[in-house]
Amino acid sequence: GQQLNQSPQSMFIQEGEDVSMNCTSSSIFNTWLWYKQEPGEGPVLLIALYKAGELTSNGRLTAQFGITRKDSFLNISASIPSDVGIYFCAGQEQYGGSQGNLIFGKGTKLSVKP
Amino acid sequence: GAGVSQSPRYKVAKRGQDVALRCDPISGHVSLFWYQQALGQGPEFLTYFQNEAQLDKSGLPSDRFFAERPEGSVSTLKIQRTQQEDSAVYLCASSLDKGYGYTFGSGTRLTVV
Repeated sequence: GQQLNQSPQSMFIQEGEDVSMNCTSSSIFNTWLWYKQEPGEGPVLLIALYKAGELTSNGRLTAQFGITRKDSFLNISASIPSDVGIYFCAGQEQYGGSQGNLIFGKGTKLSVKP
Repeated sequence: GAGVSQSPRYKVAKRGQDVALRCDPISGHVSLFWYQQALGQGPEFLTYFQNEAQLDKSGLPSDRFFAERPEGSVSTLKIQRTQQEDSAVYLCASSLDKGYGYTFGSGTRLTVV
């Protein structure tokens, strides 16, 4: 099925570091969402973006909806150990028969540096 | 309920066996979605309900997959004659309406042996 291009696939963080990940698509989306998933759990919504160019923060998280509506990035500032998990971007389709469905990226796995 | 509840949490099925996965959405949530998440991948859309009506089933991978939501609340995803490639986590999500944020359940991990 269709998926978004999300990078990096994985990264190691040291406490206090800033983290950045991004997502691109060949399709335009009207809504971009960022989720975090921990082992054995479903994805949990972190940030939702509804307008092209929108920059939204949620605590230490900041996300932007690209002007072209084909990309988005997520930044985590001053990372802490509990930031570990898999982060997914998702584009929400809005028109046609698939209205409301989410198209997910493959995820960015955040791990702690040994 | 407080969240989306899925059962069972884990299911091991022998190849060829039929399975039924249950989703209890948040009370009052109109929209219900099923997603399939293979190991190391993002979730992929299977099907969508608005109340009891199945409005989109374009993501169901084969006619062995069937979903229902007869009273517009609890939903069941049924997989007939399971195959090894059906092994995945099956996630259910509900929302007040289309266009609103989803709440995902913890999923059912299906392993076909």
